[in-house]
Amino acid sequence: ETGVTQSPTHLIKTRGQQVTLRCSSQSGHNTVSWYQQALGQGPQFIFQYYREEENGRGNFPPRFSGLQFPNYSSELNVNALELDDSALYLCASSRGTYNTGELFFGEGSRLTVL
Amino acid sequence: DQQVKQNSPSLSVQEGRISILNCDYTNSMFDYFLWYKKYPAEGPTFLISISSIKDKNEDGRFTVFLNKSAKHLSLHIVPSQPGDSAVYFCAAGRGYGGSQGNLIFGKGTKLSVKP
Repeated sequence: ETGVTQSPTHLIKTRGQQVTLRCSSQSGHNTVSWYQQALGQGPQFIFQYYREEENGRGNFPPRFSGLQFPNYSSELNVNALELDDSALYLCASSRGTYNTGELFFGEGSRLTVL
Repeated sequence: DQQVKQNSPSLSVQEGRISILNCDYTNSMFDYFLWYKKYPAEGPTFLISISSIKDKNEDGRFTVFLNKSAKHLSLHIVPSQPGDSAVYFCAAGRGYGGSQGNLIFGKGTKLSVKP
């Protein structure tokens, strides 16, 4: 069983640029969530995708957007990068629509915005 | 407004003793609570969960206690082992079906278990 994989693991961008982060969900999982973890903070929910549609969003501006593909992999896109976007971005997958919050996380993509 | 709070940034415990990690929450509408463990350079790993209708859940060395009246939960690790050294996140969620990915996390407590 393949776990959640994310790419790239590290990247550096400058203010105003755009970034795309990728995630492959665990085998058999059809739901993907994205979290932002700033330094010294807990993960913060960005949004969730289920069957290729966004079905939940946290308190993030529209310049954070995403996609889920038919194979359940996902992308997180951030436009007009700001310094405060520097963080670890975590992707998590889960199975089905009913569970108690058990998510399977990838190792994350660490984004640095200069 | 932090809905899930872990007030102790760090905890140091001797191997073989009990580790108690605490978490407070403010939203009485949470349906379930979870603990995740995170090692450096790895993603968080699910450890144990508890439904809001229960007050205790046990899994091996790990037990989670929920006190709804105090809006408080704790994770007990007995006995503690050096491999338990990690950052522990408390998380809470609402609803079943479709929105289970929307978890509210605390800031984490770094546990160090000394041999």
